[in-house]
Amino acid sequence: GQNIDQPTEMTATEGAIVQINCTYQTSGFNGLFWYQQHAGEAPTFLSYNVLDGLEEKGRFSSFLSRSKGYSYLLLKELQMKDSASYLCAVRGDSGGYQKVTFGIGTKLQVIP
Amino acid sequence: NAGVMQNPRHLVRRRGQEARLRCSPMKGHSHVYWYRQLPEEGLKFMVYLQKENIIDESGMPKERFSAEFPKEGPSILRIQQVVRGDSAAYFCASSPGLAGGPRETQYFGPGTRLLVL
Repeated sequence: GQNIDQPTEMTATEGAIVQINCTYQTSGFNGLFWYQQHAGEAPTFLSYNVLDGLEEKGRFSSFLSRSKGYSYLLLKELQMKDSASYLCAVRGDSGGYQKVTFGIGTKLQVIP
Repeated sequence: NAGVMQNPRHLVRRRGQEARLRCSPMKGHSHVYWYRQLPEEGLKFMVYLQKENIIDESGMPKERFSAEFPKEGPSILRIQQVVRGDSAAYFCASSPGLAGGPRETQYFGPGTRLLVL
C-alpha cells in the first residue's frame, strides 16, 4: 500500500515564502504530483517530480528526494489567492498497477 | 481544447432515489478515475476505468454504487437508493493512458455536488 503524510494546516503572510512538506512510503515509486485546490473547486495540477532535485515553475517550486521519501512545495511571494489546499499525490505499485494516491492535503491560509 | 466535463454540476435527490453522474474525459484521454470528497476532507479514490473495463474498484462501496465507461459516451457513476451519507462532491479525473508512462497526469473535472435530502 501507499502512505502519504502532510501537515493539515499552515498559515503564512502575504509576500512571504512557505514550504509545504510531504513524506511518503510506497513500493515501485514512479512520480510525485502536487495539486492546488481552492475551496469548492476541483484540484488543478501544479507540478510533477520523478527524479531527485528541484523543479521550478514561476513562483512555485517542487523538490523530491527519493531516498528520503520526501518532497516539498515551495511558494514564493505569497499572494492572497494562494490560500487553498495543496495535495501531494504519489504514484506507486498498488493493486497490481501503478496507482496514484492522494494525501489529505495541506490547507494554507495566507494572511495580510 | 475542452477539459474534463462533468454534469450535472449540482444534483439534489431524496433518500431512496437514484443519482447518475456523468464524466466526459479530455480529448485523447482513455483513462477515467472517480473520487469522492466530503467537506474539509481529502479526496477518496473510488474507481479507475478504461474503456469498457473496470481496472480498480477497491474504493467503491460494494452495494448501491456502480460505474461504467462504455465504448461510446461518457463515464457514468451510478448511486442507487441514495442515503444522506452519500452527500458529497464527486470528482472525475482523466489521463491519457500512456501505458503507465511516468508523466501520466490526472486532470480533474469541476465535480458534481450531490445533496441528498
